[in-house]
Amino acid sequence: DVKVTQSSRYLVKRTGEKVFLECVQDMDHENMFWYRQDPGLGLRLIYFSYDVKMKEKGDIPEGYSVSREKKERFSLILESASTNQTSMYLCASTLLTGSLETQYFGPGTRLLVL
Amino acid sequence: KQEVTQIPAALSVPEGENLVLNCSFTDSAIYNLQWFRQDPGKGLTSLLLIQSSQREQTSGRLNASLDKSSGRSTLYIAASQPGDSATYLCAVRSGGSYIPTFGRGTSLIVHP
Repeated sequence: DVKVTQSSRYLVKRTGEKVFLECVQDMDHENMFWYRQDPGLGLRLIYFSYDVKMKEKGDIPEGYSVSREKKERFSLILESASTNQTSMYLCASTLLTGSLETQYFGPGTRLLVL
Repeated sequence: KQEVTQIPAALSVPEGENLVLNCSFTDSAIYNLQWFRQDPGKGLTSLLLIQSSQREQTSGRLNASLDKSSGRSTLYIAASQPGDSATYLCAVRSGGSYIPTFGRGTSLIVHP
């Protein structure tokens, strides 16, 4: 059974803290994604990675960075957390090839920045 | 740029009804279209994926259709149950892009 796991389900941080959100997939997928989801705004892509050490900015990369040192792990970093980064963060992965690829999502991390 | 719209934004139906959720997209040059379900506070679960060469896909009580020429997909849920209550999202992957474009979802409540 395919699996995308995220390091925390709930997280509370203070303004200015450095925050790490980790995502691990066990399906040998090339593509990995980080989204945030906010009421009324839907899913918005933060960053995307199509291979180890490769990354591309999504629609809202400001205030975030990512790291992909190993194929199975994609980390989202909030360099200095702010209250407007309070959100639900979702990680996803897909295979690189073909139109049959399904996007698999992790359970999400609900982050509250105080 | 691909835009994906889902109508209605919310729907409340009595148990047992057959219902249709709609997804429309602006660029018909798509690679595939995927329907997801999201329960409150959870991640997204894939329901059905339709390749651009297909017209429909079925899984149990769910049937998704695709009409590229009109830029539309529908998700048909037969004999709805309270357990079907969730938000349903569609995502379109355009040709030449790794990144799907998501609609904002339809929030469905099926009441007993």
